[in-house]
Amino acid sequence: QKEVEQNSGPLSVPEGAIASLNCTYSDRGSQSSFWYRQYSGKSPELIMSIYSNGDKEDGRFTAQLNKASQYVSLLIRDSQPSDSATYLCAGGYGGATNKLIFGTGTLLAVQP
Amino acid sequence: DARVTQTPRHKVTEMGQEVTMRCQPILGHNTVFWYRQTMMQGLELLAYFRNRAPLDDSGMPKDRFSAEMPDATLATLKIQPSEPRDSAVYFCASGLDSDYEQYFGPGTRLTVT
Repeated sequence: QKEVEQNSGPLSVPEGAIASLNCTYSDRGSQSSFWYRQYSGKSPELIMSIYSNGDKEDGRFTAQLNKASQYVSLLIRDSQPSDSATYLCAGGYGGATNKLIFGTGTLLAVQP
Repeated sequence: DARVTQTPRHKVTEMGQEVTMRCQPILGHNTVFWYRQTMMQGLELLAYFRNRAPLDDSGMPKDRFSAEMPDATLATLKIQPSEPRDSAVYFCASGLDSDYEQYFGPGTRLTVT
């Protein structure tokens, strides 16, 4: 059974620091990775999609994907208290469906 | 304003009652996903549709849950009879064709007493 694993946290970083969130996949079938941010009491919001090995940058966010190692990370530079949320990693496994397998999320707390 | 809408936002009901949740996907999106989120299990996929046809409902307890898309602008998730263990937040998400990007609605918070 395909699984996506994340450290539940909480990951606590000071304001202005780099927050590093990690995610691993149970098999090599994942063809793409996605990061969702979920504030407490709100719905998940897509913040990053990455389909190819390597880095993808979007503003203060950088995703790094290594399919061979079954690993994806999300770096948040210059962390702000408003970044405090749960970050969900998801993998897309292709085939006939476009469904995602979600991890259980990492809680990030940015301390002012 | 393109967003997924869900009704009701909150529902409190007694065990044994029927619960119906509704979702309107983003206009033009043809895939709809139903998820359940709890603290213990995280985000679980219950069912999903493409072009109104069910593609996968393996995550859904078949004896009490049912999901349908009466038309392209409405998806429903029904629980009958409801049980306290069904208490959770139910999210609907929509997407386009075989793309992986999914956009979530605000959720329905269900409490079964």
